[in-house]
Amino acid sequence: DAGVIQSPRHEVTEMGQEVTLRCKPISGHNSLFWYRQTMMRGLELLIYFNNNVPIDDSGMPEDRFSAKMPNASFSTLKIQPSEPRDSAVYFCASSWGAGNTIYFGEGSWLTVV
Amino acid sequence: GQQVMQIPQYQHVQEGEDFTTYCNSSTTLSNIQWYKQRPGGHPVFLIQLVKSGEVKKQKRLTFQFGEAKKNSSLHITATQTTDVGTYFCAGRGSGAGSYQLTFGKGTKLSVIP
Repeated sequence: DAGVIQSPRHEVTEMGQEVTLRCKPISGHNSLFWYRQTMMRGLELLIYFNNNVPIDDSGMPEDRFSAKMPNASFSTLKIQPSEPRDSAVYFCASSWGAGNTIYFGEGSWLTVV
Repeated sequence: GQQVMQIPQYQHVQEGEDFTTYCNSSTTLSNIQWYKQRPGGHPVFLIQLVKSGEVKKQKRLTFQFGEAKKNSSLHITATQTTDVGTYFCAGRGSGAGSYQLTFGKGTKLSVIP
């Protein structure tokens, strides 16, 4: 079975540019999460979708960040404009039910210079 | 909000020594999960504990859930170089509407051959 698929795996971009990260959750899962991981702050939940509806976006750092889930098999996380402090690994994850086992994608490694 | 603290942050052990990481929640949990993240990889689910006082084993790994369901531990017997990585606990709250897992910051294990 395919796991959670994320793209791009690595991205280096200049400050001020728009960054779009993509995610395909595991088929049949109804919960989707976007996490950010840094050395300083660890794993932070940015946003949680249930049945394609954003339930909790309290972890989204600021208005520069936005996330969408137009259908059950696709989600995007957009940063516009990007800043160096956004450099991190961004993980998409999915599960059947929010508190159940979470399956992580391999992550998108973002570097903003 | 719910907080999950994990200690130690780092642990260096000689191969063959034992290792333990501890997880403490500020609130009572309905369940706790453990994940392992290899260097450069993504978190992978290890196990879930649900019952008060529950103990589960996976080969050399022993997981415990406290009687009060506010703390947990992971113990590795006779560490091997394959155990290298960061171990995260993630707790789910027990209150009404609790839907998400809160991750600890992880314990990074280094094994010296």
